[in-house]
Amino acid sequence: QLQLQESGPGLVKPSGTLSLTCTVSGGSLGTDIHYWGWIRQPPGKDLEWIGSIYTSGTTLYSPSLESRVTLSVDTSENRFSLKLSSVAASDTAIYYCARHLRREGSAVWFDPWSQGTLVIVSS
Amino acid sequence: DIVVTQSPDSLTMSLGERATINCKPSQSVLSTFNNKNYLAWYQRKPGQPPKLLFYWASTRESGVPDRFSGGGSGTYFTLTISSLQAEDVAVYYCQQYYSPPYTFGQGTKLEIK
Repeated sequence: QLQLQESGPGLVKPSGTLSLTCTVSGGSLGTDIHYWGWIRQPPGKDLEWIGSIYTSGTTLYSPSLESRVTLSVDTSENRFSLKLSSVAASDTAIYYCARHLRREGSAVWFDPWSQGTLVIVSS
Repeated sequence: DIVVTQSPDSLTMSLGERATINCKPSQSVLSTFNNKNYLAWYQRKPGQPPKLLFYWASTRESGVPDRFSGGGSGTYFTLTISSLQAEDVAVYYCQQYYSPPYTFGQGTKLEIK
């Protein structure tokens, strides 16, 4: 059964870089045909897709965050990572990683999701 | 961007009642290429991550009880629970994957009376 677990600091200073890693178990990133994505939910706000990466390195980014987001994938360690630069209090959120499935050539729904980790941006 | 609006924001029902949640994308998510609706539904129970319930608007994910059904097309979709059970207390979200950025509805909180 595929499982995802994110890791990284729970507290980041304003103007710093938020870095999270998602480790996949029960399956192999290298042989999977799907994308791997990041979604976040600020307190009291909607779920927001951040971006997704394919194992080839092809990336999809939300236009609203694209200038600050970098995604990477490490198939040898079976993990993928998110970096969000120049963070502000508005980036405080629960961050999820998820498999972003490919169907008929397109990125579609997310399944499964990680448990989620709260990242607070504060000095 | 496709804005996805759910209604109602919250719903309080009695056990055994029928519950319906609506989801309206701001533009059609029906593909004329394959005649499929690019919409998914998720359930998030307290303390858990979202769990996939339906994709292609009405295809039930394996293991989802058949009291749950997904319907609709184009710009109007519904998630229906035919007979509410205590374990259905959750927040329900719809998501469009017709075009990036992939967007979610604001969620509908379902509670038991």
